[in-house]
Amino acid sequence: DAGVTQSPTHLIKTRGQQVTLRCSPKSGHDTVSWYQQALGQGPQFIFQYYEEEERQRGNFPDRFSGHQFPNYSSELNVNALLLGDSALYLCASSSDGQGHQPQHFGDGTRLSIL
Amino acid sequence: GQSLEQPSEVTAVEGAIVQINCTYQTSGFYGLSWYQQHDGGAPTFLSYNALDGLEETGRFSSFLSRSDSYGYLLLQELQMKDSASYFCAVESNYQLIWGAGTKLIIKP
Repeated sequence: DAGVTQSPTHLIKTRGQQVTLRCSPKSGHDTVSWYQQALGQGPQFIFQYYEEEERQRGNFPDRFSGHQFPNYSSELNVNALLLGDSALYLCASSSDGQGHQPQHFGDGTRLSIL
Repeated sequence: GQSLEQPSEVTAVEGAIVQINCTYQTSGFYGLSWYQQHDGGAPTFLSYNALDGLEETGRFSSFLSRSDSYGYLLLQELQMKDSASYFCAVESNYQLIWGAGTKLIIKP
């Protein structure tokens, strides 16, 4: 039973570029959430997707956008990259149909902005 | 605002018991989760409390008091591999709100 998978594992970009990160949820899960974790801090919620719609959004600018596909996989897009966007980006999945269940995380994508 | 408070660092001896406390202030509350994160790794789910009381999973136990907006994670029979950061996180309005994490240092 595959867990949450994310790609790529590492990425280096320069300021002003755009990036797309990908996530496949754990089998049986239909909800995907994205988090940003800066070094030495707790993860910060970016947004959550359910039924291909953004259901909830954290305090992140419009440069951060996402998408969920019919197979429940998801993408996170970040435009006009800033140095401060350097972080570990985590994808978490859960099953909405089973009530409030804990979120399970992928290994993350480490994004470095030069 | 929404916030979670937990100690930044805790030190314990191998084989001992340690408790990591978490207090929270959030606009909504469905449950309190605990995650373990080793350096360079992703958070790993440990425990979840939606109702008051104690949940036990092997060497780990977690407690919640909703009236006090307080919970704790109890780790027993500490092993060196338990050295990691531990995060409490409140589930609120479809998102997890995280504390800053507690670095657990275990000495032989």
